Amino acid sequence: EAQVTQNPRYLITVTGKKLTVTCSQNMNHEYMSWYRQDPGLGLRQIYYSMNVEVTDKGDVPEGYKVSRKEKRNFPLILESPSPNQTSLYFCASRVTGDNQPQHFGDGTRLSIL
Amino acid sequence: DQQVKQNSPSLSVQEGRISILNCDYTNSMFDYFLWYKKYPAEGPTFLISISSIKDKNEDGRFTVFLNKSAKHLSLHIVPSQPGDSAVYFCASHTGGFKTIFGAGTRLFVKA
Repeated sequence: EAQVTQNPRYLITVTGKKLTVTCSQNMNHEYMSWYRQDPGLGLRQIYYSMNVEVTDKGDVPEGYKVSRKEKRNFPLILESPSPNQTSLYFCASRVTGDNQPQHFGDGTRLSIL
Repeated sequence: DQQVKQNSPSLSVQEGRISILNCDYTNSMFDYFLWYKKYPAEGPTFLISISSIKDKNEDGRFTVFLNKSAKHLSLHIVPSQPGDSAVYFCASHTGGFKTIFGAGTRLFVKA
């Protein structure tokens, strides 16, 4: 089954404790992206990657890091999480091309205390 | 400043009637628009899209209309069904790599 898998689905942690949210896709997609969803703001793009070793900032990259060492994986790293990063996070992938829709994971709800 | 705006946070419609969800954008360089549907505890799923060279695209009960001069697009669902109750996001691909989403509209379809 074609899918985007995120782990963990839920996490409660404390300020400053480094965490990683993993994302893996089995569709051989070149493009992957991370979003955060906040009430009234919709989905905002954090980082995206056009292919292995190629990443770029989205609209809200501050406080986040990513890496793309393999085509299927695109982890999101919070080196020193803060309460304003409490949010619902989605990973997505698609084939390259303007008209290609994204496939989303089921989300990771992070609470930073 | 949001470049893609969905000004109606929610919409309630009777089953069998038409649902119209609206979306406005500010950047005339946007060239591709997509609608996604999202159920609780799931990720968004793709619904329908439209290129800026077209003014209409239809897929079953779903039709998207694009008015480039007004920088406005709308999603029509006819007839609406209770299973259509979800949050609908309008999005634009910009330059092929960045994606900008609207804030979403929650649709309630009453049986």
